[in-house]
Amino acid sequence: DQQVKQNSPSLSVQEGRISILNCDYTNSMFDYFLWYKKYPAEGPTFLISISSIKDKNEDGRFTVFLNKSAKHLSLHIVPSQPGDSAVYFCAASDNYQLIWGAGTKLIIKP
Amino acid sequence: NAGVMQNPRHLVRRRGQEARLRCSPMKGHSHVYWYRQLPEEGLKFMVYLQKENIIDESGMPKERFSAEFPKEGPSILRIQQVVRGDSAAYFCASSPSRAGRETQYFGPGTRLLVL
Repeated sequence: DQQVKQNSPSLSVQEGRISILNCDYTNSMFDYFLWYKKYPAEGPTFLISISSIKDKNEDGRFTVFLNKSAKHLSLHIVPSQPGDSAVYFCAASDNYQLIWGAGTKLIIKP
Repeated sequence: NAGVMQNPRHLVRRRGQEARLRCSPMKGHSHVYWYRQLPEEGLKFMVYLQKENIIDESGMPKERFSAEFPKEGPSILRIQQVVRGDSAAYFCASSPSRAGRETQYFGPGTRLLVL
């Protein structure tokens, strides 16, 4: 039973363009959502989060959008840079447990 | 300020042996979480510990797996009589208080390979 789904295993984007990573969830009790970035052979690094009482949170080039009615969130990266190439995980929480999606591998093409 | 430390980074064991994975949380963090990542999958919660207490072990397999976080020293994830299916990356995270509203900071992981 996958409560958090990232349906795109990979995404390729031209440098300078916008990268949009999507995430769907099924549990309406989740009230906090996070995006993590992960390079090979390293642990996940926190990127940005959003509380369920908000629909948007922005931090520099990164913006997370939350659509509660659709149980959908997305991460926008603009402009995309080569260093953004990594695996991006969406995670959801209703307490201390983080429930993770399977990740989307983002490849930024020069 | 050192981040979360995990050792060893790589561990090879034969079936039936024991694996011990260590995690030192960030300075000032008293909450530790262990996650397991199988290939091509997301991380799966295993256990949440505070100093000397297991708060939630609902993600831990019922047999062969145990975890502790003693008053002094690192948190230990112990896997007895390892099997090939235990091969995975094991990540530890820490937070200064009960996370969910705060970020969990992750270590680099221990990659366990069972031959």
